[in-house]
Parts: sequence; C-alpha cells; structure tokens
Amino acid sequence: GAGVSQSPRYKVAKRGQDVALRCDPISGHVSLFWYQQALGQGPEFLTYFQNEAQLDKSGLPSDRFFAERPEGSVSTLKIQRTQQEDSAVYLCASNLWAGNTEAFFGQGTRLTVV
Amino acid sequence: TQLLEQSPQFLSIQEGENLTVYCNSSSVFSSLQWYRQEPGEGPVLLVTVVTGGEVKKLKRLTFQFGDARKDSSLHITAAQPGDTGLYLCAGSHSGSARQLTFGSGTQLTVLP
Repeated sequence: GAGVSQSPRYKVAKRGQDVALRCDPISGHVSLFWYQQALGQGPEFLTYFQNEAQLDKSGLPSDRFFAERPEGSVSTLKIQRTQQEDSAVYLCASNLWAGNTEAFFGQGTRLTVV
Repeated sequence: TQLLEQSPQFLSIQEGENLTVYCNSSSVFSSLQWYRQEPGEGPVLLVTVVTGGEVKKLKRLTFQFGDARKDSSLHITAAQPGDTGLYLCAGSHSGSARQLTFGSGTQLTVLP
C-alpha cells in the first residue's frame, strides 16, 4: 500500500492478556518508530528501529513491552500481561532515511484493556 | 510528561475568525513540525521549520519558529469548519534518530 498500515485498528484485551500490534511501514523506509498516545494527549516516543536494528528503546514504559522488526520491514509491538494503564492508541511511523524528519504515521491501533 | 507545552489546550471559534496556537519549550530543537490529527487517524504533517525566525505560509496557515528555536506559533486566518482537529507541535534534535517530542496538543473546533 501507499501508506503506513497498522493492524488491528481496535483491540480489546482482558487485563493480564498478551497482545501483538502490527505495523507495515511504507516500502523502502529505513526508520520506524512506535509512539503511545493517551486520550487527549500528544504521542509519546516508545522505540526506534533503523532497518532491523532497534537503536533506541528508552521510551518503553516497562519490560512488559517488546518490539521487533526482524527483516527490516514489518514491525510488531508486543505487550505482555496487559494492564489498564496500557490503554491508549499505539501509533507507528516511518521515515525514508535515518536523518529525515518527515514522518508518515499509520492510523494507529486503539488498545482498550478491561 | 510533555516537554513541549501547547496553548490553548482547547479552542472553539466561529467560522471566519482568526486564531493562534502556541508551542513553547525550554529546550532548543533542530527542527520543529506541526501536525494535524483527526479522530481515528494518525497525525498528518503540515510543515517543518528548521531556521530560527523562519516563517512559512500554507494557504491560510502561517507558521513561525522562534529566534532561539525553542518556541513556535501557528496562526490560522479565516478559520473554516474543515480546520477542525487536534493540532500538534513536535520537535526533533539533531542526530540520526530524529524521534519526535510532541506537545500536548490543541483541540480546535470551528463552528459553522
């Protein structure tokens, strides 16, 4: 597709359940970012990949959060043992190259933990 | 914690009015961007400013980057209902990652 694609669009998880969120970046984009956006707030940085290498994971809120991009294209954000405070929209963005500031965002996955 | 403070947080105006949204920080950024986000969608880039004092115009929108590259403003002239949305400023620092630090957002509603 022409843009960043995220799936699922909506996810309801019971507290304690594991979830996996998928991001398909724009083809050929080197950089991939995950952000978390709480209701009524701006997005907050979670982690960054350059190709398959995870260069920065300083924004991951706990060790229950794990991200991977094994072949340098599709990325998965996994949250283990979900808690209510994990409820948010998870946004994926990609850039053409590492130093480029123009990020293209997906529509996001809205996660609700009940 | 948002390092970029936006004001106002909410703004509701009538069609045809002018408005200004502010984005302030104590940090210096190498570039600053403005995004608009609609419900259920990801943010969409409006403009990037990189030079202190820079002014960019996009139709009825005027963006300014402060001289010290710590603050920015977005001015909309003759607002239209289609301008309704969440406006986000985001700064980035020089370096290879170029991750964005977002402001808290300004929710704009333009009433017909």
